[in-house]
Amino acid sequence: RKEVEQDPGPFNVPEGATVAFNCTYSNSASQSFFWYRQDCRKEPKLLMSVYSSGNEDGRFTAQLNRASQYISLLIRDSKLSDSATYLCVVDQAGTALIFGKGTTLSVSS
Amino acid sequence: NAGVTQTPKFQVLKTGQSMTLQCAQDMNHNSMYWYRQDPGMGLRLIYYSASEGTTDKGEVPNGYNVSRLNKREFSLRLESAAPSQTSVYFCASSGADPSYEQYFGPGTRLTVT
Repeated sequence: RKEVEQDPGPFNVPEGATVAFNCTYSNSASQSFFWYRQDCRKEPKLLMSVYSSGNEDGRFTAQLNRASQYISLLIRDSKLSDSATYLCVVDQAGTALIFGKGTTLSVSS
Repeated sequence: NAGVTQTPKFQVLKTGQSMTLQCAQDMNHNSMYWYRQDPGMGLRLIYYSASEGTTDKGEVPNGYNVSRLNKREFSLRLESAAPSQTSVYFCASSGADPSYEQYFGPGTRLTVT
């Protein structure tokens, strides 16, 4: 089983849509979870950390389910500028971070 | 603050040539990393340095060497470049330890012919 798995997409949605991405991880000892955003030919940038209680930042909501080893990212009211690849990131039991291969989102007008 | 900077931005090498990729951070971070990113493969860790004076292998260290010159700088050296090392290389840094969020430089696009 791969350490961090994501649906590669692409997800093609119209502006204003709500879209959700899922991610599963294999190491039950993982403690830190993040979502990163990567624009084409650019570096990954931290979008948000994911906490056990769930957290929200504007139109973005992240959830963690430790029992199922599952992380989600919900984007409401999608904007054209949300078009990017979203990377699910999990720590390897307190050592290095493991990056998923990413889910591509394309928002159209 | 510049954050994480990398030089060069682009490089073309011939097979067998050597080069060093430079990385520096001004965030007073302890940990620094080198990744490569290839289409369909995602980000893969080459080497990391959890603190000044220490380095450790990541997932794909073969063909590379690193130096943690001081707290700010972490360089990646290709001693004898191969076409399989054609990739985008990202340097990153993080605060207290490797499980903290990482901040990335803009990348170096390397082509080996």
